[in-house]
This record gives sequence, C-alpha cells and structure tokens, in this order.
Amino acid sequence: GAVVSQHPSWVICKSGTSVKIECRSLDFQATTMFWYRQFPKQSLMLMATSNEGSKATYEQGVEKDKFLINHASLTLSTLTVTSAHPEDSSFYICSAPISGGLNYGYTFGSGTRLTVV
Amino acid sequence: GENVEQHPSTLSVQEGDSAVIKCTYSDSASNYFPWYKQELGKRPQLIIDIRSNVGEKKDQRIAVTLNKTAKHFSLHITETQPEDSAVYFCAAFSNDYKLSFGAGTTVTVRA
Repeated sequence: GAVVSQHPSWVICKSGTSVKIECRSLDFQATTMFWYRQFPKQSLMLMATSNEGSKATYEQGVEKDKFLINHASLTLSTLTVTSAHPEDSSFYICSAPISGGLNYGYTFGSGTRLTVV
Repeated sequence: GENVEQHPSTLSVQEGDSAVIKCTYSDSASNYFPWYKQELGKRPQLIIDIRSNVGEKKDQRIAVTLNKTAKHFSLHITETQPEDSAVYFCAAFSNDYKLSFGAGTTVTVRA
C-alpha cells in the first residue's frame, strides 16, 4: 500500500537552531502533503499544505517564515523549523492523500517528536 | 472552514462492553468521514471510514453511522478488548481539500 516515510522519528535540538523533517512517498507520487502538529493529549492541527512545484499554503496563525516547507519533487516534502524554541516542541506528522488525488484516503508518516532544549 | 466536535473526551468501559463516540461537523459539503486510532507516540491508523452516500458501515466489531441531515456521525465498538485502549479521532473531509480532526477520545478498556 501507499506509504509515507518520515524522518527523523525523534530529534533533540538546542534553542535557536533549525531542524528539517522529511517525508517521502514510497511507491506513489504525492502531489500534495499536509503537515500537522500535535501537542500532548491534543488533536492534530493542520499547519500547512504543500503542493509540488508551488508555494505552500499556511493555516491561520502559522508563521510561514518559521516553518519552511519545500515540496520540490513528487516524492519529497520537507518541513524546516527555523530558530526553534522550546514552545515548538511537539509531534509533527505529515500526511498525503492517496487513491489518485484528493479523492479520499490518506496515509500518514510515522511522525517526528521534536524536543527543543 | 470545517469544525468537528467530538465527545466524550475520555471513555472508560469494562472489557466486553460497547463503546460509542460521537462527532458533529459544521460543513454540509463534507463528504468523507474517517475514524483513526492513535497509540501513544505513533501515527494515526485508519480503522473505518464512511462516505456521504452511505448511512452505516460495519467491519467486524467496529461500525460507523452517519446522519447527514443532523451532521453527525458515530463510532461503535462492540465486545471491547484491552487492545482497543487508545485515542480515537474522528475527521471530516470537505471541499476545501482538508481533513479536519475532532479533539480525540481516550478510550480505556478495563480488564
């Protein structure tokens, strides 16, 4: 089945540094990738939608200059958390629609646990 | 945009009993409603879904019902087992091509 591989699974970084998270679609082309953030005991909150070859669309309240998204190919989307601070510590997870487009069905990456110290 | 509300936030049931989680949505154009099970620190796993042209769907011990008029849908788990303990999320897909999630329900099955 359609699989999205997400790396790293966990990362600890110092405050002020940047962290890149990668999501690769295996055996299918992901023209769209959704990026979510999940704080402990909370739901998945959509941060942004990336589309291959175009600029990402950010949800209200999400700083586009802080959370840089790149979707340069049909199989790779990246999220870079720039100048990370402790409040950015969270579980980040990507998701891509399957079944030939946005017509239902999603596959999720395994998530990245980011801890900023 | 779509707003999905989910209740209850926590649910404790005796092993073998049934568990019911209810969700409402706001966008009448929403047409796909998946349910996910998430274990701690892991990705959400799709357990069942329903489309707007269907009122009920069942898969072994899990069933989902959809009332489009009232804009609510429910998850039913029968004969619960300890391995059913997890956080469950409902979601709705609308015409803005986004999947909106409910707040989640922590289900605990007591042995």
